[in-house]
Amino acid sequence: RKEVEQDPGPFNVPEGATVAFNCTYSNSASQSFFWYRQDCRKEPKLLMSVYSSGNEDGRFTAQLNRASQYISLLIRDSKLSDSATYLCVVRLNTGFQKLVFGTGTRLLVSP
Amino acid sequence: DGGITQSPKYLFRKEGQNVTLSCEQNLNHDAMYWYRQDPGQGLRLIYYSQIVNDFQKGDIAEGYSVSREKKESFPLTVTSAQKNPTAFYLCASSIMTGGSNQPQHFGDGTRLSIL
Repeated sequence: RKEVEQDPGPFNVPEGATVAFNCTYSNSASQSFFWYRQDCRKEPKLLMSVYSSGNEDGRFTAQLNRASQYISLLIRDSKLSDSATYLCVVRLNTGFQKLVFGTGTRLLVSP
Repeated sequence: DGGITQSPKYLFRKEGQNVTLSCEQNLNHDAMYWYRQDPGQGLRLIYYSQIVNDFQKGDIAEGYSVSREKKESFPLTVTSAQKNPTAFYLCASSIMTGGSNQPQHFGDGTRLSIL
């Protein structure tokens, strides 16, 4: 079983739609959680950190369920520019506090 | 502007050749990392360094070597022992606050291919 699992997609949605991505992690020692965005053939960029109480940044809302070891990202009012791959990232509570990356979920927003 | 600079953007390696990928940051970050990304796979950690003159192997260090002689620089050498070097290589850095890593920020990557 992968340490961080994501549905690879692609998710094809029209502009203005609401879309949700899910991510599960297997290591209960996971400490911190992030969503990164990666455009085609580009580097990953931090989208947002995920906090236990849930957090929102504009059209983006992230949720964490530690009991179920589940993380979600909700995008409201999708824009064409949201088309990208979204990486779920978990930081382990080990000596080094390594980051573990999911393989990503691809989003395609169409006009 | 502050950031992480990787060079070159594209690199071709001949059989039996060692090549070195450059990574420089002016963010004053303590920790630096090298990852490899293959199609359909998540980023995999090659090496990391939390302080100058110290570095540790990641999950896939075989066939690679690094050095950390300066805080700003963390070059990666892909040696001839790495039999499948074709990949997208990403360098990252982060600050370390209270012993915990902050989110990592990435350079724009180097694409390495075999000739």
